[in-house]
Amino acid sequence: DAKTTQPPSMDCAEGRAANLPCNHSTISGNEYVYWYRQIHSQGPQYIIHGLKNNETNEMASLIITEDRKSSTLILPHATLRDTAVYYCIVRQNRDDKIIFGKGTRLHILP
Amino acid sequence: KAGVTQTPRYLIKTRGQQVTLSCSPISGHRSVSWYQQTPGQGLQFLFEYFSETQRNKGNFPGRFSGRQFSNSRSEMNVSTLELGDSALYLCASSLLGQGTGELFFGEGSRLTVL
Repeated sequence: DAKTTQPPSMDCAEGRAANLPCNHSTISGNEYVYWYRQIHSQGPQYIIHGLKNNETNEMASLIITEDRKSSTLILPHATLRDTAVYYCIVRQNRDDKIIFGKGTRLHILP
Repeated sequence: KAGVTQTPRYLIKTRGQQVTLSCSPISGHRSVSWYQQTPGQGLQFLFEYFSETQRNKGNFPGRFSGRQFSNSRSEMNVSTLELGDSALYLCASSLLGQGTGELFFGEGSRLTVL
């Protein structure tokens, strides 16, 4: 079973930052937080991952709380192409199987 | 560099038949995972293969099986098809033990069981 809880849907205005929360209160010390997204009718796409520290790449930023029980994915300037289902996943290491939950359906509003 | 290729993209079968789906991973990737996606259950993990061996398995009945060949290409088979097997079947490849552990997904094979 997925070990994360995410809101089922969110709206964000185009051009604004989209902040997607994820709760993983039972995460253990050696588990990573991964984010993927799935645009309609396509396979999921990797976005970012982290262990303890905040991470940033060309797509997004990942903020992990100090107690590691929750995290937030930030898309700094959302566009219509960011409309997708976003999945937050915890996995023990990079070779562990990935179990997807229900994800958050993000709607970007023009 | 070619991505993950799945064939066929679409197929229609009837109850009781069997189906075989194929997945060619990214060149150099030796891990292949399979997922079933339905509107009701979301993305569910089926199994993962690495170097021709099943490394992980999800909670699916024995009607769902898979294998991996020496060139890392993988097939999954579903026997005695049921209406509930209608779904998008996604394959993903990865470089085990290297990089970010990122999965690269194919476009999927959409199976309709009538």
